[in-house]
Amino acid sequence: GAVVSQHPSRVICKSGTSVKIECRSLDFQATTMFWYRQFPKQSLMLMATSNEGSKATYEQGVEKDKFLINHASLTLSTLTVTSAHPEDSSFYICSARTDTSNQPQHFGDGTRLSIL
Amino acid sequence: ELKVEQNPLFLSMQEGKNYTIYCNYSTTSDRLYWYRQDPGKSLESLFVLLSNGAVKQEGRLMASLDTKARLSTLHITAAVHDLSATYFCAVGDSNYQLIWGAGTKLIIKP
Repeated sequence: GAVVSQHPSRVICKSGTSVKIECRSLDFQATTMFWYRQFPKQSLMLMATSNEGSKATYEQGVEKDKFLINHASLTLSTLTVTSAHPEDSSFYICSARTDTSNQPQHFGDGTRLSIL
Repeated sequence: ELKVEQNPLFLSMQEGKNYTIYCNYSTTSDRLYWYRQDPGKSLESLFVLLSNGAVKQEGRLMASLDTKARLSTLHITAAVHDLSATYFCAVGDSNYQLIWGAGTKLIIKP
């Protein structure tokens, strides 16, 4: 149980392109979803927290207009990297959690984004 | 502000040996999680520790939590190559978010 599907798993695109990443909870209702960014050999950096039906809460230093997050349903959240540039290249991981706050976050497989 | 310190950051060991990874945190929390990450992959939940004295075991891995010392340990018994990965601890804060340790890269040599 508790499967989170994230896609695409790999994106390579030119600078200036907008890229959308989807995160779906397949067998549970995810009231809260998290978007992380991970640089090579580093820990996870929380970008934003999104609750279904409300605006995402962004961490300090994360540009809201650059990283658009939509959590329209209890099973789907999307992250759109707008007008991506090479410095946006990274490993992006989503996670989802049910309403039970003590339960672990369940992670998607991650999306490796490379901007040329 | 909750801070999580994990050590060691890198560990290379021989198969068959035992070792412990430590996770210290700075303020009170009653939720601690251990995750595993293989290279190029996402994170897999290993253990959820919710109370003082909690001990959980899965195969050759055993995790414990001492909330008074603000310390969790992940003990590896008779390590095998398949356990090579990066291990993260994460502590739940008052906003129900996770504060992450830096990770311990574990390499187990045959």
